[in-house]
Amino acid sequence: EVQLLESGGGLVQPGGSLRLSCAVSGFNFNIYAMNWVRQAPGKGLEWVSGISGSGGSRYYADSVRGRFVISRDNSKNMVFLQMNSLRAEDTAVYYCAKPRAAGTLDILDYWGQGTLVTVSS
Amino acid sequence: EIVLTQSPATLSVSPGERATLSCRASQNINSDLAWYQQKPGQPPRLLIYGASTRATGIPARFSGSGSGTEFTLTISSLQSEDFVTYYCQQYHSWPPPTFGQGTKVEVK
Repeated sequence: EVQLLESGGGLVQPGGSLRLSCAVSGFNFNIYAMNWVRQAPGKGLEWVSGISGSGGSRYYADSVRGRFVISRDNSKNMVFLQMNSLRAEDTAVYYCAKPRAAGTLDILDYWGQGTLVTVSS
Repeated sequence: EIVLTQSPATLSVSPGERATLSCRASQNINSDLAWYQQKPGQPPRLLIYGASTRATGIPARFSGSGSGTEFTLTISSLQSEDFVTYYCQQYHSWPPPTFGQGTKVEVK
């Protein structure tokens, strides 16, 4: 059974940092790219970042490029999102999401339950 | 960046009736479109990909159609659990893969 479990969310002040983690199981993690997608309270979905299976390719939304860093540890079946210089508009539930096919990033067939990040003073 | 526009924002339908949701792309995306369903407090669930292919375990009352810039999600006979929010997503041009703003289906 495929499972994704996010952790690391919480309340942080503007300008602060937070590191999100996503632990996965139930599939061959190191051949799948992984994504982070967020959803601000009462709003729609926004893709944030993606990383290839090897970790050699990383992609970011313009809204977070230069502030967020995605990484992965294939020995531990985990993907991370280091979030720096946080802003109020980064407040959202952050989901870890797996693509349907290995080697792709696009069609997301499994999602974690999400972790809430609140940026506020 | 490709912009997806969903309409209507809210759709009022009676249980057992048909619901038709639209998604328009700002440029040609061929059939590179997915639909997701999201219930309150839950993550999205993949319904359709490739514009018309149902994901594993998705009931046959959900169907997708369209190509190019115009797409439709049809729910043939609304069940109580279908009155939630639906998002389209394009993956023709990425990054970023973009989402529509969502359509909420409510009980009429």
